[in-house]
Amino acid sequence: SQTIHQWPATLVQPVGSPLSLECTVEGTSNPNLYWYRQAAGRGLQLLFYSVGIGQISSEVPQNLSASRPQDRQFILSSKKLLLSDSGFYLCAWSVRPQDSPLHFGNGTRLTVT
Amino acid sequence: GQQLNQSPQSMFIQEGEDVSMNCTSSSIFNTWLWYKQEPGEGPVLLIALYKAGELTSNGRLTAQFGITRKDSFLNISASIPSDVGIYFCAGVATGANNLFFGTGTRLTVIP
Repeated sequence: SQTIHQWPATLVQPVGSPLSLECTVEGTSNPNLYWYRQAAGRGLQLLFYSVGIGQISSEVPQNLSASRPQDRQFILSSKKLLLSDSGFYLCAWSVRPQDSPLHFGNGTRLTVT
Repeated sequence: GQQLNQSPQSMFIQEGEDVSMNCTSSSIFNTWLWYKQEPGEGPVLLIALYKAGELTSNGRLTAQFGITRKDSFLNISASIPSDVGIYFCAGVATGANNLFFGTGTRLTVIP
């Protein structure tokens, strides 16, 4: 069966520090991978998605970047965090979103101080 | 990005009551999904819909893919306290590779 792992679960970082969140998927090949952000009490905003190694699509301009160095690994990064980067970050995977659902990790709660 | 309007924003209901929430989009969707999210966790899939007009049940939950392909609803019958959470609709537009989410319905069940 497929599983998705996301870490760390919580993170407190000072403004201006770098960020690296990691997500890995097991039990499937060539998944579509996604990074979403959720502000407190709000809906999910798509940040990045990837249909293959090295292929990244960005949905909104921002202080973050994503990379996919391996088939089942998706990394969310920032060189210098802003206060507004605080939120709940969720990684997800799917086979093909047109006919299979997205499955989410348990999220990373990021607080920028 | 795509706009998904989900309503109501929040609901306070008595245990045992039925619940209904819906989602509309500004464009045609090929897929509608309904998720539930509990505090501090990722959303969990409840029901997936892939055909216009499709009506699918999962226990006390029923969801339908609207005929116009621009809307979907989720019903919960005989609510129980563990139904508490935030319910999100989500959809995939024609030819898209990504999923867009509604703003969520926060459900509170009063025992």
